[in-house]
Amino acid sequence: NAGVMQNPRHLVRRRGQEARLRCSPMKGHSHVYWYRQLPEEGLKFMVYLQKENIIDESGMPKERFSAEFPKEGPSILRIQQVVRGDSAAYFCASSPTGQGYEQFFGPGTRLTVL
Amino acid sequence: AQSVAQPEDQVNVAEGNPLTVKCTYSVSGNPYLFWYVQYPNRGLQFLLKYITGDNLVKGSYGFEAEFNKSQTSFHLKKPSALVSDSALYFCAVRFTGTASKLTFGTGTRLQVTL
Repeated sequence: NAGVMQNPRHLVRRRGQEARLRCSPMKGHSHVYWYRQLPEEGLKFMVYLQKENIIDESGMPKERFSAEFPKEGPSILRIQQVVRGDSAAYFCASSPTGQGYEQFFGPGTRLTVL
Repeated sequence: AQSVAQPEDQVNVAEGNPLTVKCTYSVSGNPYLFWYVQYPNRGLQFLLKYITGDNLVKGSYGFEAEFNKSQTSFHLKKPSALVSDSALYFCAVRFTGTASKLTFGTGTRLQVTL
């Protein structure tokens, strides 16, 4: 059973470009979470999705950031018009349900904005 | 406000000695508590969790944690540290009413030396 897959592992963008981060949850998992880790800091929750639904986006910046988890295919975290402050590691996690289960994390995508 | 704290940025211990990594939380209700470990340039690996039941929880790689409700703590322990345990450790809490998102502490770097 493959773990949580994220791609790309490293992404370099210039200011103003768009960044698309992909996450494929573990097989059988229908709950996906995105977290951001700034250098030397802990992980900060961004958004929680189930298939075709955003359940909790309380950690998402109000502008430029969006997330989706379509019926088919991976979950996508999209950052428009990136700025240097968006440089961070973005981690995706999945769980089979939302109740009490641990979340399984992917290897992360390290975004660098030049 | 609901929060989780890891009061030590770094813990140093000699191989073979017992280790403790501290975690405290501030919350109303009954939270779910987790420990994760992060190796350099990797995602987070689940170690153990407390949901309910026995206050002493055993997890992966010989780690255990004790839930103390009166002190609102969930310290991570291991009887005999290994050099390979050197990594960044995160305590995480799922607070009631937060739709499954995890709130992470700032992390504690464990350094085990020969």
